[in-house]
Amino acid sequence: DAKTTQPNSMESNEEEPVHLPCNHSTISGTDYIHWYRQLPSQGPEYVIHGLTSNVNNRMASLAIAEDRKSSTLILHRATLRDAAVYYCILRGRMDSSYKLIFGSGTRLLVRP
Amino acid sequence: DAGVIQSPRHEVTEMGQEVTLRCKPISGHNSLFWYRQTMMRGLELLIYFNNNVPIDDSGMPEDRFSAKMPNASFSTLKIQPSEPRDSAVYFCASSWAGAGNQPQHFGDGTRLSIL
Repeated sequence: DAKTTQPNSMESNEEEPVHLPCNHSTISGTDYIHWYRQLPSQGPEYVIHGLTSNVNNRMASLAIAEDRKSSTLILHRATLRDAAVYYCILRGRMDSSYKLIFGSGTRLLVRP
Repeated sequence: DAGVIQSPRHEVTEMGQEVTLRCKPISGHNSLFWYRQTMMRGLELLIYFNNNVPIDDSGMPEDRFSAKMPNASFSTLKIQPSEPRDSAVYFCASSWAGAGNQPQHFGDGTRLSIL
């Protein structure tokens, strides 16, 4: 499975935008980029995923570099509830196993 | 709609005892996953089922662990005999595997402590 690299931790102020980076230099042409987050004492929660184009949903935006070797999860206005560990994961489009391989993620701290 | 339901939420037992964790996936989902999370190893996939059939159990630590899915709405993960190193949070997740890259939906986990 292709690997991703994320900073161990980041801090943000409440109501400010947050940009969470992820490097995936060995990504293959058929790998999707998925983001999950895990709030304290909860199971992981799906956030967003994309292949080549930038993606938006109600939770966040995903900006994918043109060469696809990196991506950024954007939370437009951080709230205290967004404090969580964020995981960037690659999944093959043709991967019939649908497995998720979790790394160590980025722990986001949101200051009031 | 109800999400993935796991029971119990917490389990404390003595080593050597049998432990059974239960999971009810989201109705209509045809894939089910069991994960384990520890501070040392993070989130690890133990086993996953597709249409009630175990597809990949390479993550199951050893023979003391077993998982079953007798029908589309229920799965169990059993540890017998349990050991202190099995203490962890165990998550169940489900998804629809009919089309690629559907998200997985996780339960709130079972926090297991083996004394």
